[in-house]
Amino acid sequence: KAGVTQTPRYLIKTRGQQVTLSCSPISGHRSVSWYQQTPGQGLQFLFEYFSETQRNKGNFPGRFSGRQFSNSRSEMNVSTLELGDSALYLCASSFSSGGRYEQYFGPGTRLTVT
Amino acid sequence: TQLLEQSPQFLSIQEGENLTVYCNSSSVFSSLQWYRQEPGEGPVLLVTVVTGGEVKKLKRLTFQFGDARKDSSLHITAAQPGDTGLYLCAGRNNDMRFGAGTRLTVKP
Repeated sequence: KAGVTQTPRYLIKTRGQQVTLSCSPISGHRSVSWYQQTPGQGLQFLFEYFSETQRNKGNFPGRFSGRQFSNSRSEMNVSTLELGDSALYLCASSFSSGGRYEQYFGPGTRLTVT
Repeated sequence: TQLLEQSPQFLSIQEGENLTVYCNSSSVFSSLQWYRQEPGEGPVLLVTVVTGGEVKKLKRLTFQFGDARKDSSLHITAAQPGDTGLYLCAGRNNDMRFGAGTRLTVKP
């Protein structure tokens, strides 16, 4: 099975611009989560989508949004970029069976805001 | 404040040594996962534990979930340079919460 793929891998944007990141989950996984990872804050949960519906949301401003398509692919969007948005953005797809929840990460998109 | 506290933050050891890293919380989790992450890459899932007191072995790695499902430990026997990386624990309830990680360096 192919793993989680994320595009693009690297991105440079300027303050005030917006950005869209894409994630394709493992085939058969219906849940996709997004995380922001920075040296200072570590891995922080952004949101989780399941069957095209946002199931959970972390404590991020409304500039961060996402969506999931019927084929489980997901996108996240950040509008009005700030310097502090520079981070590694990670997507993870997951499945749950018999009480066991397992999550698999993609390689991430490294976003640099200048 | 991290929901999950990992210790130590940094660990540098010689090849062949044993080590244990810890993941502690005041919250009960339905499941807990351990990951290893290398620079510039996404975390790689090592193990999932769900039952209090559960012990899982993965070659030289031994994972234990606390009886109360609030804490976990990872023990590595005879560490090798290839074990170098950031070890993250994550607890699951409604969502996943991660610890800050233990950065392990194994010197040859």
